[in-house]
Amino acid sequence: QKEVEQDPGPLSVPEGAIVSLNCTYSNSAFQYFMWYRQYSRKGPELLMYTYSSGNKEDGRFTAQVDKSSKYISLFIRDSQPSDSATYLCAMIPGNTGGFKTIFGAGTRLFVKA
Amino acid sequence: GAVVSQHPSWVICKSGTSVKIECRSLDFQATTMFWYRQFPKQSLMLMATSNEGSKATYEQGVEKDKFLINHASLTLSTLTVTSAHPEDSSFYICSAVEGNQPQHFGDGTRLSIL
Repeated sequence: QKEVEQDPGPLSVPEGAIVSLNCTYSNSAFQYFMWYRQYSRKGPELLMYTYSSGNKEDGRFTAQVDKSSKYISLFIRDSQPSDSATYLCAMIPGNTGGFKTIFGAGTRLFVKA
Repeated sequence: GAVVSQHPSWVICKSGTSVKIECRSLDFQATTMFWYRQFPKQSLMLMATSNEGSKATYEQGVEKDKFLINHASLTLSTLTVTSAHPEDSSFYICSAVEGNQPQHFGDGTRLSIL
């Protein structure tokens, strides 16, 4: 079993839709949770960074962490064609578990105009 | 935000030559830098972790003599692909991190070996 599970997709939605991207994990030591966006032939770009459980909002993006369920989500409101990319979740154990980042496989998202 | 610069963005060379890729953290001091390889439509594959002034730690299956990593300062790490062959063609991405902060990535280097 992988430490972090992420559906690779592809996920195709119409412009304006609300997109939900998810990851599950097995290591309860994870404390820091990130979402990266990667366009084709570019490096990943950090979108959201949260510590422990809760929600964080930044413009059209909302990140949620549910540590009790070992489940994290990224919501994109009013999706745009420019949001078409691969989205990777990532996690870090933190002080007691070391700082090695574990990445999900990435979900490919297509937003159709 | 934190900026990581990777150079070159694309290189084409003949089989048997060596290629050096640079990774620089422009506005922060990177305690650790990482090198990844990525095949089309696949996720990141960690190759090695490097800390300034010490030898890199390579992941299992990565040849250290093939992929030479130098991390001479807190803002610069280099990856040299020695005696490159067509099977080394790939997308190489570096990242840099300060302490326990998230990794920030360069824009990648597309390497094509003829």
